[in-house]
Amino acid sequence: DIVMTQSPDSLAVSLGERATINCKSSQSVLYSSNNKNYLAWYQQKPGQPPKLLIYWASTRESGVPERFSGSGSGTDFTLTISSLQAEDVAVYSCQQYYSTPYTFGQGTKLEIK
Amino acid sequence: QVQLQESGPGLVKPSETLSLTCTVSGDSFSTYYWSWIRQPPGKGLEWIGYIFYTGSTNYNPSLKSRVTISLDTSKIQFSLKLTSVTAADTAVYYCARHWGSGYYVDYWGQGTLVTVSS
Repeated sequence: DIVMTQSPDSLAVSLGERATINCKSSQSVLYSSNNKNYLAWYQQKPGQPPKLLIYWASTRESGVPERFSGSGSGTDFTLTISSLQAEDVAVYSCQQYYSTPYTFGQGTKLEIK
Repeated sequence: QVQLQESGPGLVKPSETLSLTCTVSGDSFSTYYWSWIRQPPGKGLEWIGYIFYTGSTNYNPSLKSRVTISLDTSKIQFSLKLTSVTAADTAVYYCARHWGSGYYVDYWGQGTLVTVSS
């Protein structure tokens, strides 16, 4: 199984500041034949299902604000929120879909400082 | 707009079988992969398995011996059965749709809490 490890486990950022969440996979999720990273990011608010934010490591889902961006390749990935808004308080999780069993990171809890 | 809705008992006794159904609306089963994913209270997400619209399945090896996922195309529903449950199976269970050939999840159900307790 590919193990997904996020850091930090929790993060407190001031409104308007940048938030950065890291995700590391135990093996590469870059598929060489199409040069795509099989990595997604989800946002989950209390009592709600996860919401897709980013796929292919850096493609923003339709309707997701531009302040959310994804980067990285191979085994190291980053989700960045450029200017934190109050509604961004949530748990963020990465997921690899390179191979089954699909696996998720443990989640990073983002709060307002 | 695709919508998924889980249904089933919220309480299951230890050693019994957990059974859930996901009803899909706004789309057909065709060409998509449909998963069950669970989240124990306060913990991360765990993929249980998926079923393709043809009926082929793929299960997480950690649960494979206890899991069956099936579909009813006439009702546009797919189901989860998990046998011999223990307290460790207490979780919110989500049904979900994968975009494309089993890629990222683009639609999720609201989730249903299943508690295993006598």
